[in-house]
Amino acid sequence: QVQLVQSGAEVKKPGASVKVSCKASGYTFTSYDINWVRQATGQGLEWMGWMNPNSGNTGYAQKFQGRVTMTRNTSISTAYMELSSLRSEDTAVYYCARGFLGGLGGDAFDIWGQGTMVTVSS
Amino acid sequence: VIWMTQSPSLLSASTGDRVTISCRMSQGISSYLAWYQQKPGKAPELLIYAASTLQSGVPSRFSGSGSGTDFTLTISCLQSEDFATYYCQQYYSFPPTFGPGTKVDIK
Repeated sequence: QVQLVQSGAEVKKPGASVKVSCKASGYTFTSYDINWVRQATGQGLEWMGWMNPNSGNTGYAQKFQGRVTMTRNTSISTAYMELSSLRSEDTAVYYCARGFLGGLGGDAFDIWGQGTMVTVSS
Repeated sequence: VIWMTQSPSLLSASTGDRVTISCRMSQGISSYLAWYQQKPGKAPELLIYAASTLQSGVPSRFSGSGSGTDFTLTISCLQSEDFATYYCQQYYSFPPTFGPGTKVDIK
């Protein structure tokens, strides 16, 4: 079935970087954008950015510009999100999500990964 | 950036109730709106896109309406599995943004 499977939980120190993976299966990986959305405990959903797995093109929310990098390895149908200069406020669950409509300024997300908990603590 | 508000933020209801959640945009977005359901410890699930199109596999008791700046999610007959948090999301303008959420809990 169509699914996105993410890597496991991470614990990082402030100032470090984290790289989360998202492996796609059940569909053609290069046919749909991958987006990243995060959610702090008890809070709402925050969109971080998108990547086109075919071209490698990316677009990031202004808040994360300069700190986030989204990449992919098409040979293994896997997308990656790396966030650097981590601070305590980055503690959250990070989700990858498939964009399936390609709207004017963004997309809606029909398939989500299970989430990866990233904890930033000294 | 397009901002949205959702009301109410908390809705207490009983099984069998008809419930309505509103989402209002800071500017018009045509029909580029999606609704998601999220249960504790789980990823969000897409319910509706294009304001009123039901995602495949979603029960027909869910419906969406609206265009421009005002949108509504309706659950016609609340079931036990519907107690969750609901988010609206616009994808008309970059960056895509989510509403703050409406938690539906048991009265």
